[in-house]
Amino acid sequence: EVQLLESGGGSVQPGGSLRLSCAASGFTFTTFAMNWVRQAPGKGLEWVSGISSTGDNTYYADSVKGRFTISRDSSRKTVYLQLSSLRADDTAVYYCARGRRLGAPGYFFDYWGQGTLVTVSS
Amino acid sequence: EIVLTQSPGTLSLSPGERATLSCRASQSVSSNYLAWYQQKPGQAPRLLIYVASTRATGIPDRFSGSGSGTDFTLTISRLEPEDFAVYYCQLYGTSPPLTFGRGTKVEIK
Repeated sequence: EVQLLESGGGSVQPGGSLRLSCAASGFTFTTFAMNWVRQAPGKGLEWVSGISSTGDNTYYADSVKGRFTISRDSSRKTVYLQLSSLRADDTAVYYCARGRRLGAPGYFFDYWGQGTLVTVSS
Repeated sequence: EIVLTQSPGTLSLSPGERATLSCRASQSVSSNYLAWYQQKPGQAPRLLIYVASTRATGIPDRFSGSGSGTDFTLTISRLEPEDFAVYYCQLYGTSPPLTFGRGTKVEIK
């Protein structure tokens, strides 16, 4: 059974940092891209970042480029999202999602974690 | 960047009725690389449909996707109580950044 378990969320002041983790199980981690998608309170879904199966390629939304860093550790079957220079509008539930391509340039997301809440407030 | 517009914003229907949700792209979608997701309150999204019309594993056949080019539709043939939720379309026919529509809420009338 595919499982994605996020952790690391919490409350932080503007300008602060957090590292989110997503532990994967139930599939061959090294053959899938991984992504982060967030959802601000009462709002829709926003794709944030993705990393290829090998880790060679990383992608970011313009809204987080230069502030967030995605990485993965195959030995731990974990993907990370380092959040820096946090702003109030980064407040959201952050979901980890497995990416599938099936020949496409981009990814769709076939499995999701339950999410971890990040609150940025003074 | 391609923009996805979902309509209506809210759909008020009764159990047993047919739901038709629209997702329109501002430019033609390559190879129909469009996905649909369902999200219930307090839960993570769930993949329903990919490549515009292929149901994901375990998705009931009352859910169907159709369309091509710029106009796509998610149809729920007969609404069950558990189908009342928010539905999002997502484009993956371009390299990241990836785009979601703003969602359609299907609520009980």
